[in-house]
Amino acid sequence: DAGITQSPRHKVTETGTPVTLRCHQTENHRYMYWYRQDPGHGLRLIHYSYGVKDTDKGEVSDGYSVSRSKTEDFLLTLESATSSQTSVYFCAISEALWGASNQPQHFGDGTRLSIL
Amino acid sequence: AQKITQTQPGMFVQEKEAVTLDCTYDTSDPSYGLFWYKQPSSGEMIFLIYQGSYDQQNATEGRYSLNFQKARKSANLVISASQLGDSAMYFCAMRVTQGGSEKLVFGKGTKLTVNP
Repeated sequence: DAGITQSPRHKVTETGTPVTLRCHQTENHRYMYWYRQDPGHGLRLIHYSYGVKDTDKGEVSDGYSVSRSKTEDFLLTLESATSSQTSVYFCAISEALWGASNQPQHFGDGTRLSIL
Repeated sequence: AQKITQTQPGMFVQEKEAVTLDCTYDTSDPSYGLFWYKQPSSGEMIFLIYQGSYDQQNATEGRYSLNFQKARKSANLVISASQLGDSAMYFCAMRVTQGGSEKLVFGKGTKLTVNP
């Protein structure tokens, strides 16, 4: 299994509070991604990183920010959490941008975030 | 618009039988890649198989094969000799170029239930 650790695995918090999710990898892969998964929507990309301090927005980036100060860590921050951000969040890594035949994206186990 | 369509919200199959999960895609890009992922009830996303748009042969990986029909823009996943452990959500995804940049687009998934 790809060495990807997401923390925390579960979190319950209140509307308006800041939340930071961490993704840590031991594979030294260049590319890292944050997705959210909601019923009826599949996975949607929030932000991705193509190197240390190099990040870009995905299709649902509003209300989220990211940082990557080291190759192995990619942080997702909800500055002021809202109930619409209740979701399951997945981190993914890959050697090739977006994935390729023998270098697909590998996913962490997910973080279940509930915002009350 | 680049998109993936999985028309079967749920599928049922008897143990040891084969099952086909449908995936159609829409892209005008001649170069693209198609992925299938499995998500068991435990929540992790597991990469299964990949097909490139220029690949001459259909991809196979153990009991998984991809029925790639380029002209019909379909990339159906075939699981042979179904096992109880195959019960899971299955997601089709496509790597495409849109607006000069690449992205990975996921379908909404098909829930497969294998009956004993």
